[in-house]
This record gives sequence, C-alpha cells and structure tokens, in this order.
Amino acid sequence: DAKTTQPPSMDCAEGRAANLPCNHSTISGNEYVYWYRQIHSQGPQYIIHGLKNNETNEMASLIITEDRKSSTLILPHATLRDTAVYYCIVRPNKAAGNKLTFGGGTRVLVKP
Amino acid sequence: DAGVTQSPTHLIKTRGQQVTLRCSPKSGHDTVSWYQQALGQGPQFIFQYYEEEERQRGNFPDRFSGHQFPNYSSELNVNALLLGDSALYLCASSLGGARDTQYFGPGTRLTVL
Repeated sequence: DAKTTQPPSMDCAEGRAANLPCNHSTISGNEYVYWYRQIHSQGPQYIIHGLKNNETNEMASLIITEDRKSSTLILPHATLRDTAVYYCIVRPNKAAGNKLTFGGGTRVLVKP
Repeated sequence: DAGVTQSPTHLIKTRGQQVTLRCSPKSGHDTVSWYQQALGQGPQFIFQYYEEEERQRGNFPDRFSGHQFPNYSSELNVNALLLGDSALYLCASSLGGARDTQYFGPGTRLTVL
C-alpha cells in the first residue's frame, strides 16, 4: 500500500481556511485518497475521498495534483470544533479487503 | 439512520483474562473491520469480516479472533490479555468487502491492569 507523509502539526486561525497537505508519491492508479479526522478519544470521522478529480462536500474540499503524488484538504472556514488529528490515507480499490493504513496524521489546532 | 455502534464503552480487565467486544454496523452495511489504537498512535488494522468470514488480517497474534453473525454484527475476542493490549478498539463498517467508504464507531476503551 502506498504510504503518505503529513506534517505532524499545524495551527489555524478560527474563520480562516485551513489547508492540510499530504504527499503520496508512490500512489498507484487505482488507489483512492481518503481523509478522516479524529477528535480526542472519539472514532475517526470520514471527511472526503477522491481518485483523480477535485472533490467537494459539505465538510471540505479535496484538491489532488494532476500527477496524483500529493493532495490538499481544505477546510474553508475553520471553527474551534475542527481541532482534531487529520489522517490522509491511500486506500487500495480491490474487490475486497480494502484495509485502511493510518499514519501519524496532522494535529490541527484551531485558535480563536 | 443508526450509525456504527460498539459495546461496551469502557472495560477494565486484568492480565490473562479474556475479553469480547461487540460491534453493530451501520444500517445497510455488510462488512466489519476492526482496528486497535494505542495511546498517541494511529489506528492499526486487526482484521476484516465479510460474509461471515475473515477476509483480511493485519499483523496481530492468534490471541485476537473474531466472528461475524448473519445479521452482520461482529465480535472481537482477545485471549490471555497483556498490558500492551490496553487501547481503544475501533469498529468500522462498509459495504461489499470494504469496496466502499468505511465508517467508524465510537470505540471501546480497554484497560488491562
């Protein structure tokens, strides 16, 4: 499975956009990029995923570079409740058995 | 629409004991994956159940076993508990052998004394 590299931590101002980078230079053509976040001691929460095209939902936007070797998760207007550990995961797209391999994630602190 | 539920919320055991954790998947899901999350680390994949069979397994010893029932709910069993088994145990459900997005439950916090 392709590995991901994320900065260990970052701060963000409340009300501003938060841009979370992720490198996945060994990603294969059929692997998805998934983003989850985990607020302290809770289960990971699904945010968004994509294959090639940019994606947007009610929580965030996902920008994937054309060569697919990196991506950026954008939280458009960060709130204090967005403080969490954010995980970027490359997930295979096999017929079955698509386990998630979590790395260290990025610890995001949203400040007032 | 009920999400993924897990029971119990917290559990305290002593070394050498056995424990059973339970998971009910999100409505409409048929696949359950289990993860272990030690303090300060990301979740680690234990195994995945689909069609009542273990389909994929992570690097965990045979002390960790599981079961999936016809209603798609699942159990995780850990025998001969060690202090190092203390962790948050997470269940994630999905559709069709995890071809689809996995959604996580709140977890069970296991403490081994």
